[in-house]
Amino acid sequence: DAGVIQSPRHEVTEMGQEVTLRCKPISGHDYLFWYRQTMMRGLELLIYFNNNVPIDDSGMPEDRFSAKMPNASFSTLKIQPSEPRDSAVYFCASTPGGRPNYGYTFGSGTRLTVV
Amino acid sequence: AQSVAQPEDQVNVAEGNPLTVKCTYSVSGNPYLFWYVQYPNRGLQFLLKYITGDNLVKGSYGFEAEFNKSQTSFHLKKPSALVSDSALYFCAVRSNQAGTALIFGKGTTLSVSS
Repeated sequence: DAGVIQSPRHEVTEMGQEVTLRCKPISGHDYLFWYRQTMMRGLELLIYFNNNVPIDDSGMPEDRFSAKMPNASFSTLKIQPSEPRDSAVYFCASTPGGRPNYGYTFGSGTRLTVV
Repeated sequence: AQSVAQPEDQVNVAEGNPLTVKCTYSVSGNPYLFWYVQYPNRGLQFLLKYITGDNLVKGSYGFEAEFNKSQTSFHLKKPSALVSDSALYFCAVRSNQAGTALIFGKGTTLSVSS
């Protein structure tokens, strides 16, 4: 298994531009999570899906952020318009089933820089 | 609400010495606790977890962690540190209710000197 795949690995964009981050979870994992990592705030949960349905998006910082999961093998996190304070590493993770004793498998992350 | 506290931003230890990375948590119900490690420019890797049973949990790379319910703590330990253990360590918690997500601490940077 190739693991959780995120693209791009690095993204540099100008303030005001739209940014789309992509994630392919492990096949068979029906939970998908988006986290954001910054020095100041550590690892924050943004949103998570179960069977392609958003379960909790209370961590999404504001309306400029949106996430979708159109099918079991693909999710996007979009920022429009982007701002310098959105600069961070964005991680996607997946896990099988709803059993709390399962750990998560993380992707390698997307490092976003907004200038 | 769930929360995790890692009181130390950085822990410094000499190679061969024991190490401890501290973690305390708050969760409704019984906790499921995890430790993850992150090497530079990489994603998080699972180290170990506590679900139930023995309070001392053994994980990858010689790490272990001790669950203490009365102190709501889950400290990460290793008897003899290696330089290659230098990394960022995250403690995480979730409740035993299905459908809840892992909540992470801010992370502790472990630096092992030779």
